[in-house]
Amino acid sequence: AQSVTQPDIHITVSEGASLELRCNYSYGATPYLFWYVQSPGQGLQLLLKYFSGDTLVQGIKGFEAEFKRSQSSFNLRKPSVHWSDAAEYFCAVGPSGNTPLVFGKGTRLSVIA
Amino acid sequence: DAGVIQSPRHEVTEMGQEVTLRCKPISGHNSLFWYRQTMMRGLELLIYFNNNVPIDDSGMPEDRFSAKMPNASFSTLKIQPSEPRDSAVYFCASDLQGATEAFFGQGTRLTVV
Repeated sequence: AQSVTQPDIHITVSEGASLELRCNYSYGATPYLFWYVQSPGQGLQLLLKYFSGDTLVQGIKGFEAEFKRSQSSFNLRKPSVHWSDAAEYFCAVGPSGNTPLVFGKGTRLSVIA
Repeated sequence: DAGVIQSPRHEVTEMGQEVTLRCKPISGHNSLFWYRQTMMRGLELLIYFNNNVPIDDSGMPEDRFSAKMPNASFSTLKIQPSEPRDSAVYFCASDLQGATEAFFGQGTRLTVV
């Protein structure tokens, strides 16, 4: 069965510091991997996605993620965090369109001055 | 396109009352997903439709929950009777066969008192 684990429930970083959010998945075939961000009171917005090819993918808002098949991981990174990045981040795995994604429980990011 | 539109944004109702949540997917999308988000369980898939046909409703928690998609531009999620444990944020998302991204609405925050 497909599953996604985000080991960190809550992370606090200082503004300007680097960020890495962890995501591990379990999937029987080549996965399609996604990171979504949810700001308070808002829906989920796609940050980036991996389908195939280059294992380092770039997304919006300066985020990137690296697919590591050997580790079943798809960690999200940002070199310098801004206060506006404070939000909930969800990793998801799935095949493709027409089928639902399986989401992790999310990681809440707090940014301090 | 205005994106996925959900109504109402907030709903407060008394236990035992019927609640109807509405979703208008993005025009041209042929898949629609209903998710429920709670602190304890994260994002859970309730049901999804392809071409207006329910494909998997195994995530619907009880018979009190029902969902319909009478046409390609409208879906409802109904809870009857509602209970306090149904309090959550309910998201609708739509997608397109062969596409690479599910688009989410802003959600309906349901509070059952």
